[in-house]
Amino acid sequence: GDSVTQTEGQVALSEEDFLTIHCNYSASGYPTLFWYVQYPGEGPQLLFRASRDKEKGSSRGFEATYDKGTTSFHLRKASVQESDSAVYYCALSHTGNYKYVFGAGTRLKVIA
Amino acid sequence: ETAVFQTPNYHVTQVGNEVSFNCKQTLGHDTMYWYKQDSKKLLKIMFSYNNKQLIVNETVPRRFSPQSSDKAHLNLRIKSVEPEDSAVYLCASSLDWGFYAEQFFGPGTRLTVL
Repeated sequence: GDSVTQTEGQVALSEEDFLTIHCNYSASGYPTLFWYVQYPGEGPQLLFRASRDKEKGSSRGFEATYDKGTTSFHLRKASVQESDSAVYYCALSHTGNYKYVFGAGTRLKVIA
Repeated sequence: ETAVFQTPNYHVTQVGNEVSFNCKQTLGHDTMYWYKQDSKKLLKIMFSYNNKQLIVNETVPRRFSPQSSDKAHLNLRIKSVEPEDSAVYLCASSLDWGFYAEQFFGPGTRLTVL
C-alpha cells in the first residue's frame, strides 16, 4: 500500500538556520503530495501541495519540489524563525483513494 | 465565520463510559473525516463521509461509530471507552473526495480516559 516516510522525531534549530525535513513516499503513478503544519492547540493546515514531477510548492518561505525519480518531496526553508515551531506532516493522496496517507510528523523546535 | 468547529474541546471520563463528539463545518464541503492523533502526534484516519455516505471505514474498534445527519455535520460516538482511546480526535472536511482536495481541520477534541 501507499506510504510516507519523513524525518523522525524532533528537529531543533536556532533562528536563521536552514531547515530540511525529508519526505519520501511509496505509491504508484503520480500521487498528489502535501505538506501540512500543525501549531500547538490547532488542527493541521495546508502549507502547499504538488501533483506533477518537478512541480515546486511554496508558502511562507517554505518550499518543496516533487521528485518522482527519488520519490521525494523534501521541505526546506532558508531561515527559520521561532514562530515556525510546529509539527510538520508530509502526506499523499492518490487517484481512487478516498483518504490521505500521512507521515508520522516531524516536530520542529526553533530556539531564539 | 467559515471553518470546522468541534465540541467539546476537552473531555475526561472513566473507563467504560460512553462519549460523543460533535463536528460541524460551515465551508459548504461535501466530505468530512475523523482522525485520531496519539500522544506521538501520529495521525490516523478513522472514517470518511461524502454527502452523508460512508466511504472510508478504517479498521477501528466497533465501539467507535460515526453519525452524519447532513453533509455539514459528522459526530463520533465511542461506546465503553478504553484507556487506549485517550487521544486528540480531529475532524476535517474537504470540498470533495478528490485526490487533490485540501483538507480543513478543526482544533480537535482531547479525550482523557481514566
